[in-house]
This record gives sequence, structure tokens and C-alpha cells, in this order.
Amino acid sequence: ETGVTQTPRHLVMGMTNKKSLKCEQHLGHNAMYWYKQSAKKPLELMFVYSLEERVENNSVPSRFSPECPNSSHLFLHLHTLQPEDSALYLCASSQESGSIDEQFFGPGTRLTVL
Amino acid sequence: DQQVKQNSPSLSVQEGRISILNCDYTNSMFDYFLWYKKYPAEGPTFLISISSIKDKNEDGRFTVFLNKSAKHLSLHIVPSQPGDSAVYFCAASSNYGGATNKLIFGTGTLLAVQP
Repeated sequence: ETGVTQTPRHLVMGMTNKKSLKCEQHLGHNAMYWYKQSAKKPLELMFVYSLEERVENNSVPSRFSPECPNSSHLFLHLHTLQPEDSALYLCASSQESGSIDEQFFGPGTRLTVL
Repeated sequence: DQQVKQNSPSLSVQEGRISILNCDYTNSMFDYFLWYKKYPAEGPTFLISISSIKDKNEDGRFTVFLNKSAKHLSLHIVPSQPGDSAVYFCAASSNYGGATNKLIFGTGTLLAVQP
């Protein structure tokens, strides 16, 4: 595997379900990100992890719970979601170097909440 | 309020002609700008960037122009090819003294290059 991978690619869940999205980066990066892309809206940054520590939480509802067990893996745990949470969830990684660094994105998970 | 705006949701261009994608921003603290390209069912991929100390950056068929006084940047693709058909996102960032960089994205412009 190369680059940034995400599983599953598609997920349909009910509002009472609990599910997790997984992201893995094979680039040796030390920062990882979760973004949400809703239709006709910009990519919205949800969480940022740097060296496995959460450094940014953009006022995301608690029904989204991130986890970063090591610098290569990032999870997004989902529970009691709402239909408006249906979106494309993108994971990205970058190598922090003290300047602006290019972020590498995974293919995304298309989430539908019924 | 959106800090990065791409006012054209779509653009159609003939193969071989120039494609010009535009982006406006409101935050004068932004000092680094990037363009990403996204094909369906794939994540965005980095295309080209420009620092605020420059007004032009060129990479092959792709050139990004920055007009700081107008808070405007544009991506020129010449000549356009059918394989360039994708959604193009503009993103901006500022270097918070080495903190993890935070990209602010626009809504994207869908480019269709007609053969």
C-alpha cells in the first residue's frame, strides 16, 4: 500500500449505530487530519493530530470521536449520528517541518446516515 | 463566512485552449496558497502552490498567479487536456510559527475540458 488509505470506502448506517472510519498513511508523516466534505461546501477541517496528540478540534460535535494510536493510523469513531452528517470524510497526512507543508489525502469514506 | 471563495462552480473549455480558475480570499494573514485537483472517487491531490512573497509560480502547463492587493489568485492551465477534467480546490494557509498547518479550502470549481 502506498500513500494514504481509508476504509471503508462507503458506509451506510442508522442513527443508532456505532461505526468507525479508519485511515492509514504509509508516508512516514507525523501529522494527520480529518476533513468533512458536504455537498457544495468547502472541505471543513475537523481534527488535527500532530505526533499523536490532538492539536485542533474545530467545534466538532461529540458524536464524532477521533483516535490516533500511532503516527500511521487515525480513526474516527461515530455514534448516534444525524442524517445531516452524511458526507465524504477525508483523511490527510503531512510532514511537519515548521513551514506550510503539502497535505496528502486519502480517497475518502462516503458516509450515508439514514 | 467563507475566507476562501471560488465563485465559479463550473467551467467548460475546449481542448488546447487555456483554462483559468479563479479564487478570492478575505484573510490578509494568509501567506501560502495551494491548488488541489480531485477526480471522482479519489482524494484531492496537490497540484501547485505559491508563497505570498511571489506573484507567479509555474510548473509545466500549470501557472498560479497571486495578486495580494486584490486578494486574488488564479490557476492557468495551458494547453488544456481532457485529462485535466476534475474539480479544482483553492486552499490558503498561514504559518502560525511552525504549528501544524491549517488549510482553508474553497468550494471547488468543476473543470470540463471538451475534446
